[in-house]
Amino acid sequence: GAVVSQHPSRVICKSGTSVKIECRSLDFQATTMFWYRQFPKKSLMLMATSNEGSKATYEQGVEKDKFLINHASLTLSTLTVTSAHPEDSSFYICSARALRFGSTDTQYFGPGTRLTVL
Amino acid sequence: AQSVTQPDIHITVSEGASLELRCNYSYGATPYLFWYVQSPGQGLQLLLKYFSGDTLVQGIKGFEAEFKRSQSSFNLRKPSVHWSDAAEYFCAVGAGDYKLSFGAGTTVTVRA
Repeated sequence: GAVVSQHPSRVICKSGTSVKIECRSLDFQATTMFWYRQFPKKSLMLMATSNEGSKATYEQGVEKDKFLINHASLTLSTLTVTSAHPEDSSFYICSARALRFGSTDTQYFGPGTRLTVL
Repeated sequence: AQSVTQPDIHITVSEGASLELRCNYSYGATPYLFWYVQSPGQGLQLLLKYFSGDTLVQGIKGFEAEFKRSQSSFNLRKPSVHWSDAAEYFCAVGAGDYKLSFGAGTTVTVRA
């Protein structure tokens, strides 16, 4: 099956610092990756769509200068939370759209990264 | 705009009993519908999906869902619940650009 990994699984940082989260598709190529944010007991909120080799498309209300997304290869997308503040503390989840399995409409999700900003 | 409503925030069911989770969607065209399960500390796992064709969809782990266009619903069912089914369940609707909109989720607790 399709496996998506995220690193780190958990990170604690000080306010004002930047944090990078990696999302990798381990056994398939993903031209499109998505970044979600999940608050406790809440649904997933799509933050942005990341396309390999091009700029990410951000959802309304998401600050693109704060949440930097880079999709440098077909297996790696990164989310950098810049100048993090406590309100950025959340669970960040990525997904990758697999093309090789016949269906272009299935997203495979990573295990998530728990960010805590002190 | 697309949206998903999961009316039940929390459901408790006895092991061996049947389970039904409700999902209603709002979408202007024929929707792509999904059910995902999230266990503590785990990523979302796809249970099943509907794109077209047979409105009764079979998924993994013994789950099935039925698409009812007239009711804008895509309810998830399992005839006999196992303790390992305790988790958070999310219904999602997708658009042509594959962006997913998720419901708020239903927490399932299984009692012995």
